[in-house]
Amino acid sequence: KQEVTQIPAALSVPEGENLVLNCSFTDSAIYNLQWFRQDPGKGLTSLLLIQSSQREQTSGRLNASLDKSSGRSTLYIAASQPGDSATYLCAVHGSNYKLTFGKGTLLTVNP
Amino acid sequence: KAGVTQTPRYLIKTRGQQVTLSCSPISGHRSVSWYQQTPGQGLQFLFEYFSETQRNKGNFPGRFSGRQFSNSRSEMNVSTLELGDSALYLCASQVGPTNTGELFFGEGSRLTVL
Repeated sequence: KQEVTQIPAALSVPEGENLVLNCSFTDSAIYNLQWFRQDPGKGLTSLLLIQSSQREQTSGRLNASLDKSSGRSTLYIAASQPGDSATYLCAVHGSNYKLTFGKGTLLTVNP
Repeated sequence: KAGVTQTPRYLIKTRGQQVTLSCSPISGHRSVSWYQQTPGQGLQFLFEYFSETQRNKGNFPGRFSGRQFSNSRSEMNVSTLELGDSALYLCASQVGPTNTGELFFGEGSRLTVL
């Protein structure tokens, strides 16, 4: 059974800081991994999708990496802004066609 | 281009009642999946439909069911509601089967069971 863990559960940083969010998964037989953000009471917004054959994806100030063999992914946020405050979730598409989510990292960026 | 639309956004039911939630995917998307989000359990997969066929199902009791129509719109139904069914129910769509591409989520339907 696939298990996805996100560390840390919560993170508070000053504006402008670069930060890294971590995601680990137990079964390396995955199709892809997707990072989302969720604002309070809202749905999920897709940030980056990494296919299993890829090592990283970049979008603006965001960079996500994937090391399938070690079961790890990181989301790097450069020059953080208060508007980046949200819960960040990673989700893994496993070989059983199911999407498994981590519990998320609650990020607060202080002005 | 319209996003994933879920209705209703909020609803309150009492124990024992049933509820039907609706999801309209992005135009051209044929895959719809449903998730339950609670503070304790996080996001959990309910089921997934592709071209009107249920392709996968999560570990939920038979009270949870769903279907997909020929226009790709999907509904999920929960019968004999329990207090523990209170949650945010999220629907996601994508172009093809779920293991291939990017998922797009709706805003969710927040169900409160009293």
